[in-house]
Amino acid sequence: DGGITQSPKYLFRKEGQNVTLSCEQNLNHDAMYWYRQDPGQGLRLIYYSQIVNDFQKGDIAEGYSVSREKKESFPLTVTSAQKNPTAFYLCASSIGARMLEAFFGQGTRLTVV
Amino acid sequence: KNEVEQSPQNLTAQEGEFITINCSYSVGISALHWLQQHPGGGIVSLFMLSSGKKKHGRLIATINIQEKHSSLHITASHPRDSAVYICAVSSGGSNYKLTFGKGTLLTVNP
Repeated sequence: DGGITQSPKYLFRKEGQNVTLSCEQNLNHDAMYWYRQDPGQGLRLIYYSQIVNDFQKGDIAEGYSVSREKKESFPLTVTSAQKNPTAFYLCASSIGARMLEAFFGQGTRLTVV
Repeated sequence: KNEVEQSPQNLTAQEGEFITINCSYSVGISALHWLQQHPGGGIVSLFMLSSGKKKHGRLIATINIQEKHSSLHITASHPRDSAVYICAVSSGGSNYKLTFGKGTLLTVNP
């Protein structure tokens, strides 16, 4: 079955360490996205990628980095520069760049201590 | 900037009740999505609408483009429907970005 796989589901890191969240899809979707969810707030876009080897900043890109070396994979690195990294992170993909038939992953809950 | 407002923020119902969740947005859109988020966090896309009405099982989604309003209805609600329901809209030419509402927490009691 096609879908999006995020790993791990829960992640703990010490303050000051970089951490990479994995997102893999086998839907053959061109576009992939990373969102952040905080309690009481709507999801906010961190980065998105419409094609391989290209990505764009979203609304809250500071302190994050991404890569898109393969169509299937869009890893997100939370760097030590991110001031408030503890959050729930969701990866999504869609057909083309129009968020048509969007699929979402199960999310990764990152806790920085 | 497109603002997305959902109401109510929290909703508690008894099993079997008919449920309505509302979503209003402020500017023109190309599509509106209804999403379901279960306690584990994963999100499932329920509907994508650009006009009219869609039905899937006990779920019905409607949209009124002129009034910039959409509703999600659940008929014969069941405890397994308990989740956060999120409205999101895409607008602009590229449609690459969704603007999300804050979600409606639905609890259905047996």
